[in-house]
Amino acid sequence: GENVEQHPSTLSVQEGDSAVIKCTYSDSASNYFPWYKQELGKGPQLIIDIRSNVGEKKDQRIAVTLNKTAKHFSLHITETQPEDSAVYFCAASKGTSSQKLIFGTGTRLQVFP
Amino acid sequence: DAGVIQSPRHEVTEMGQEVTLRCKPISGHNSLFWYRQTMMRGLELLIYFNNNVPIDDSGMPEDRFSAKMPNASFSTLKIQPSEPRDSAVYFCASRGDGDGYTFGSGTRLTVV
Repeated sequence: GENVEQHPSTLSVQEGDSAVIKCTYSDSASNYFPWYKQELGKGPQLIIDIRSNVGEKKDQRIAVTLNKTAKHFSLHITETQPEDSAVYFCAASKGTSSQKLIFGTGTRLQVFP
Repeated sequence: DAGVIQSPRHEVTEMGQEVTLRCKPISGHNSLFWYRQTMMRGLELLIYFNNNVPIDDSGMPEDRFSAKMPNASFSTLKIQPSEPRDSAVYFCASRGDGDGYTFGSGTRLTVV
């Protein structure tokens, strides 16, 4: 079955700097890769996703890149702000609604003012 | 759209008692997932349903745990009898075609 590894487990950056979180997956059949942000006391919230037919996707300050050959994908946050502080999870699945998402172990991002 | 609705938000119960967690998925979503989150184990998938049918319950830790989805708009996760090690945040999520999950706000369960 699918296995998703996520690094680093914690990340501290200064406000305004960039943050990068990396994930690898094992199942080459996976074709859907979402990223979730979880704030304290809340459920994970989808922030961006990418499908295997695309190499990069951007949404304002966040972007995700996908390397299918190497089976890894990354989340990039530019111009970080204190409100970006949260736990971020990557995930992978085969892309249809009947398939389960396999989550990484999470990255706790702290942005210091 | 009210999103995925879970109840209760918090539950404190004594060891040995029965606990029932409830979830209403987003209308039109045909898959529903129950997760448990702890500091030690992260997000663990317990069970998921597709079109109200249980597809994979391999994550259910023991026979004390059971889940049902009697119709497309309601699911329950039951723990009987509850134990202190069941203390965690339990999330329900639903998913439509080809998209990511939408999570509920979770139920924080404390078993004393």
